[in-house]
Amino acid sequence: GAVVSQHPSRVICKSGTSVKIECRSLDFQATTMFWYRQFPKQSLMLMATSNEGSKATYEQGVEKDKFLINHASLTLSTLTVTSAHPEDSSFYICSAQTDYEQYFGPGTRLTVT
Amino acid sequence: QQPVQSPQAVILREGEDAVINCSSSKALYSVHWYRQKHGEAPVFLMILLKGGEQKGHEKISASFNEKKQQSSLYLTASQLSYSGTYFCGTEIAGGTSYGKLTFGQGTILTVHP
Repeated sequence: GAVVSQHPSRVICKSGTSVKIECRSLDFQATTMFWYRQFPKQSLMLMATSNEGSKATYEQGVEKDKFLINHASLTLSTLTVTSAHPEDSSFYICSAQTDYEQYFGPGTRLTVT
Repeated sequence: QQPVQSPQAVILREGEDAVINCSSSKALYSVHWYRQKHGEAPVFLMILLKGGEQKGHEKISASFNEKKQQSSLYLTASQLSYSGTYFCGTEIAGGTSYGKLTFGQGTILTVHP
């Protein structure tokens, strides 16, 4: 149980384009999902907290207009990186919360050229 | 504020034991432990809630001393599969965002045959 999927696993896009990443909890309902970004050999940095049916809460320094988050249902949250630039290249990981535990998706490696 | 993990790295031979520590400057509600292998998402190991408990499964266990705001992860009779980077994620007591975790910088564990 407690499986979280992410799609796509890898994406390469050109600078200035937008990319959407989906995060799904497959066998449980998650009222709260979290989005993280991880640069090579670094820790996970929380970007935003996503609650179903309400606006996401962004961490300090994360541009809400650049990283659009939608939590449409109890099993789906999406992160859209708008007008992506090379510095947005990173490993993006979502997690979904069930009771007290958080389970991570497999991650999406974004490369912006 | 980011919890501090120690040591930063540890090298073991199969069958040896290791302890990874996680220390916070803030009062904690819970501590979560994860293992991440290169290029993959973190895998949930266990959660310890406020109450000073100790948990474990198989040869991996952990303790949580809420008075000292510290948690330790114990790996006994290590196996090759234990290699990876271990992260602790801490949830602050009385925080405004339920489930919001701040991760330590990680401890790289390498197990050799």
